[in-house]
Amino acid sequence: SQKIEQNSEALNIQEGKTATLTCNYTNYSPAYLQWYRQDPGRGPVFLLLIRENEKEKRKERLKVTFDTTLKQSLFHITASQPADSATYLCALYTGGFKTIFGAGTRLFVKA
Amino acid sequence: DGGITQSPKYLFRKEGQNVTLSCEQNLNHDAMYWYRQDPGQGLRLIYYSQIVNDFQKGDIAEGYSVSREKKESFPLTVTSAQKNPTAFYLCASSRSSDEKLFFGSGTQLSVL
Repeated sequence: SQKIEQNSEALNIQEGKTATLTCNYTNYSPAYLQWYRQDPGRGPVFLLLIRENEKEKRKERLKVTFDTTLKQSLFHITASQPADSATYLCALYTGGFKTIFGAGTRLFVKA
Repeated sequence: DGGITQSPKYLFRKEGQNVTLSCEQNLNHDAMYWYRQDPGQGLRLIYYSQIVNDFQKGDIAEGYSVSREKKESFPLTVTSAQKNPTAFYLCASSRSSDEKLFFGSGTQLSVL
C-alpha cells in the first residue's frame, strides 16, 4: 500500500540546535515534495518545495534534501528558536490535483 | 491582503442535520480543495475543483457535497449521510494543479 511516514513522536530540542525531521514514503513516484508548517488550530503554511531532480534546497535557516532512491526527505532547521515550535507536514505531489500529506511531526524547541 | 477565508471557525452539527462550511479566496486561483484532518492522520482530500462549474471527488467524498458557481467560492456541505463528521476541515487553493497550496485557517466541526 502507499504510505507516507513521519516521526509520530514529538521532537524536543534545545534552542540553537539543529532540528532534523524525516519523511519516508513507499510506492509513490512523486514529481516533487513539499514541507508545510502547521500551528495548533490553524491551516498549514507552505515552506519549501523540492523537485525530483533536485538533491537539496535552502531557504534562510531551512534546508530540505530529497533522495528518490531511498524514498526519503530530510527537513532541517538550523539555529532553532522557540518560535519554530509547530507541527511540520511532509506532502508528496503525485500528479493531477493530488497531494498526499503525512501526519506530521510535532517539534518543541526549548529556550 | 490576499488569502483564503473560512467560516465559521467552530461549527456544531445535530443528528440528521446538513451543515455548510464556507470558503472564499481572493488569490485569483483556479483550483480549490477541501481536506479533512483527524488527529494523528494526514490531511485527506474530500473534493477538488479545477475550474468554475467543475469539481471532482477526492479520496473520501462520501457524505459530502460541494459547488463551484464562482471562482472565489467553494462551499462544502456535510450531509447527514456522513456518520463521523467530527474533524478539522481545511480549504485550500492553488494557481494550478502542480503548485503549492494556500490554506485557510480551518473550521472545527463537532457533533452535538
